[in-house]
Amino acid sequence: AQKVTQAQTEISVVEKEDVTLDCVYETRDTTYYLFWYKQPPSGELVFLIRRNSFDEQNEISGRYSWNFQKSTSSFNFTITASQVVDSAVYFCALSEAGNTGFQKLVFGTGTRLLVSP
Amino acid sequence: DTEVTQTPKHLVMGMTNKKSLKCEQHMGHRAMYWYKQKAKKPPELMFVYSYEKLSINESVPSRFSPECPNSSLLNLHLHALQPEDSALYLCASSQDLREGDQPQHFGDGTRLSIL
Repeated sequence: AQKVTQAQTEISVVEKEDVTLDCVYETRDTTYYLFWYKQPPSGELVFLIRRNSFDEQNEISGRYSWNFQKSTSSFNFTITASQVVDSAVYFCALSEAGNTGFQKLVFGTGTRLLVSP
Repeated sequence: DTEVTQTPKHLVMGMTNKKSLKCEQHMGHRAMYWYKQKAKKPPELMFVYSYEKLSINESVPSRFSPECPNSSLLNLHLHALQPEDSALYLCASSQDLREGDQPQHFGDGTRLSIL
């Protein structure tokens, strides 16, 4: 069965610090997809990034960067020079077809990031 | 602004009431989802519609009844709910249920409180 583990329940940093959110996943499929979502207090889950299992290239988008390592089944997310607006709950998620032919999204338990001024 | 619109944003209802949650998207997506999220927990999948047909029901109690009138709309009818059903209900859509690389786009959710 697929599983996503986000061991950090809550992280507190001061503005401008760098912070890394960890994500470890388990799956038996060779084809799967990984996602990161941000959930601010307003409630909406905001899609941040998608990575498929065949693409281990790291990605950078502004202050955000993602490190995907299949060897350790990890898909970690780093925010550089954090800002107060980055305060939110961040979810890592895994999508795989399994034997139904339909893709289901399995979420980790989330990491709450608090950035103080 | 989110491209998935949910109404109402807040709902308080008694255990004997009947109410409906509504969700709308105009991105041409053919898969639509209902999730339930309790405080400090990840979203839990409830129902999935694919091309307006119910494809997945995650053993949700019958007091929750989904409906997909057309490809843009998704409703969740509520009847005789229990206090433990109080939660944030999130609607999402994606291009096609069979394409796992397509991200789900979420609405702001409806915060439901059962008295």
